[in-house]
Amino acid sequence: SAVISQKPSRDICQRGTSLTIQCQVDSQVTMMFWYRQQPGQSLTLIATANQGSEATYESGFVIDKFPISRPNLTFSTLTVSNMSPEDSSIYLCSVTGADATNEKLFFGSGTQLSVL
Amino acid sequence: GDSVTQMEGPVTLSEEAFLTINCTYTATGYPSLFWYVQYPGEGLQLLLKATKADDKGSNKGFEATYRKETTSFHLEKGSVQVSDSAVYFCVVRGGALTFGSGTRLQVQP
Repeated sequence: SAVISQKPSRDICQRGTSLTIQCQVDSQVTMMFWYRQQPGQSLTLIATANQGSEATYESGFVIDKFPISRPNLTFSTLTVSNMSPEDSSIYLCSVTGADATNEKLFFGSGTQLSVL
Repeated sequence: GDSVTQMEGPVTLSEEAFLTINCTYTATGYPSLFWYVQYPGEGLQLLLKATKADDKGSNKGFEATYRKETTSFHLEKGSVQVSDSAVYFCVVRGGALTFGSGTRLQVQP
């Protein structure tokens, strides 16, 4: 199994500032994803973090707003830039395991972000 | 892209009632299907999964069968408990995960 450490677990930020969320996995994983869960809504995929190259963003999400790094197979960061109250959400890191089928899926505990 | 349609909640049941939460999906190829659960104040947890047609996933008394012909993966439980109160998400996995909108289940004693 993969153990994911995500931090911070929560933060309260001022409008216009930026926050970087870290995701550390205790083993090498093939794929890492960043999701957002807005209040009362389902999870929405922001992007797939690619090791050594630019992240792959989903429709409606852009690199300038959500820059992502993945320098190696165990670590990734998501930055929420120039925040507004609409960015208040839970942000989740998710990984697939390194087993043969890549069917195991794991989630971090999430980062609850509130923007004032 | 992939999509998931899940019955809207909240679903309110009495203890020991039968539960069905409907889920249908669209996806190319042969995706894996999952049900995730989010208990109050907790993170997401995998409840059960099925990776090919006609597979039945089961856990904690919950079951769901992968129906390729109807592109469905309905969640069922024969007798719900108060402790089953949570939000349930139907999920399709092609590459990344595509989540349904979630169904809140409230079980009353």
